Amino acid sequence: EVQLVESGGGLVQPGGSLRLSCAASGFTFSSYWMHWVRQAPGKGLVWVSRINSDGSSTSYADSVKGRFTISRDNAKNTLYLQMNSLRAEDTAVYYCARVLGVVDYWGQGTLVTVSS
Amino acid sequence: QPVLTQSSSASASLGSSVKLTCTLSSGHSSYIIAWHQQQPGKAPRYLMKLEGSGSYNKGSGVPDRFSGSSSGADRYLTISNLQSEDEADYYCETWDSNTRVFGGGTKLTVL
Repeated sequence: EVQLVESGGGLVQPGGSLRLSCAASGFTFSSYWMHWVRQAPGKGLVWVSRINSDGSSTSYADSVKGRFTISRDNAKNTLYLQMNSLRAEDTAVYYCARVLGVVDYWGQGTLVTVSS
Repeated sequence: QPVLTQSSSASASLGSSVKLTCTLSSGHSSYIIAWHQQQPGKAPRYLMKLEGSGSYNKGSGVPDRFSGSSSGADRYLTISNLQSEDEADYYCETWDSNTRVFGGGTKLTVL
């Protein structure tokens, strides 16, 4: 059974940092591109970042470029999102997602709240 | 990059059918999309991948009541024999080069 389990969310002050993790199981993690998608309270889904299967290529939404870094450790079957210089507008539930053309599996999400 | 347009809300009666629409922007009418369901307070769930030809592939465990179809730039999700648990937000998704795009979502109310 495919499972994606996010962790690392919490309350952080504006300007602070957090690192999210997504532990994958039930499939060959190193074969899949992975993405982060976020959802602000009461709002829709917004793509954040993606990484290719071996970690050699990444891409970011303009809203997070230069502040967020996506990475992966295929030996540990884990996806990461390092978030720096956090702003109030980054407050959201962050989902990791497996992609095979389209998103075919979602994690349960982890809540990030940026507030003083 | 493509833009996906969805109606903000829809409603239908228990046991009836409803057809939700996702429209691709000009120049992107051939794109493959996916439909996702998000029940209140839960993570999204993948329902199906839908091609411009109307061919679709559903995710594991998705009931037969869910089906897809296409016409030009429009991609449809039809839910038959509506159940109370179908009350949810429905999102369409596609991609282009390095970006992934989501529609604004349709909130389905089961009356």
